[in-house]
Amino acid sequence: SQTIHQWPATLVQPVGSPLSLECTVEGTSNPNLYWYRQAAGRGLQLLFYSVGIGQISSEVPQNLSASRPQDRQFILSSKKLLLSDSGFYLCAWSGQGDGNEKLFFGSGTQLSVL
Amino acid sequence: AQSVTQPDIHITVSEGASLELRCNYSYGATPYLFWYVQSPGQGLQLLLKYFSGDTLVQGIKGFEAEFKRSQSSFNLRKPSVHWSDAAEYFCAVGPFTGTASKLTFGTGTRLQVTL
Repeated sequence: SQTIHQWPATLVQPVGSPLSLECTVEGTSNPNLYWYRQAAGRGLQLLFYSVGIGQISSEVPQNLSASRPQDRQFILSSKKLLLSDSGFYLCAWSGQGDGNEKLFFGSGTQLSVL
Repeated sequence: AQSVTQPDIHITVSEGASLELRCNYSYGATPYLFWYVQSPGQGLQLLLKYFSGDTLVQGIKGFEAEFKRSQSSFNLRKPSVHWSDAAEYFCAVGPFTGTASKLTFGTGTRLQVTL
């Protein structure tokens, strides 16, 4: 069966420090991968998605970037964190093609920028 | 642009009572519609989805949702709530382009269940 791993679970970082969140998927190949952010009291906002290695689409302009160095690995990064980057970050995957529109989510990373 | 409105931020029901969570969407074509549930500090789990066919869809954990095109709604229901249903519920709408599922989520409804 497919599983998605996301770490760390919680992270406290000072303003201006770098960020690297990692997400890996097991049990499937060539998944679509997504990064969502959930700010306090708000819905989930799609940040990035990827349909293949090295292919990254950004949905909103921001201080973050994403990379997909391997088929089942998706990384969210920042060179210098801002206070507004605080939130709950969720990685998700879906299959490709018809019938694969469902998203499967990881357990999330709670990021606090102080 | 697509959007989702969940008008109820917080709902409290008694265990055993019926439940209805509201969701209204805006989308230019036939949408994919989803309901997800999130337990505290956890990721989201899919409850059910709708794209076409029967407008009443059944999901896991005894939940169902009804698609009403005329009202642009996709309300989630459960006839008898259990204490373990306390969580946050998200409605989502989106296109499936064939390569990516770019969903737009509502702000969520937090469900509290009293014993």
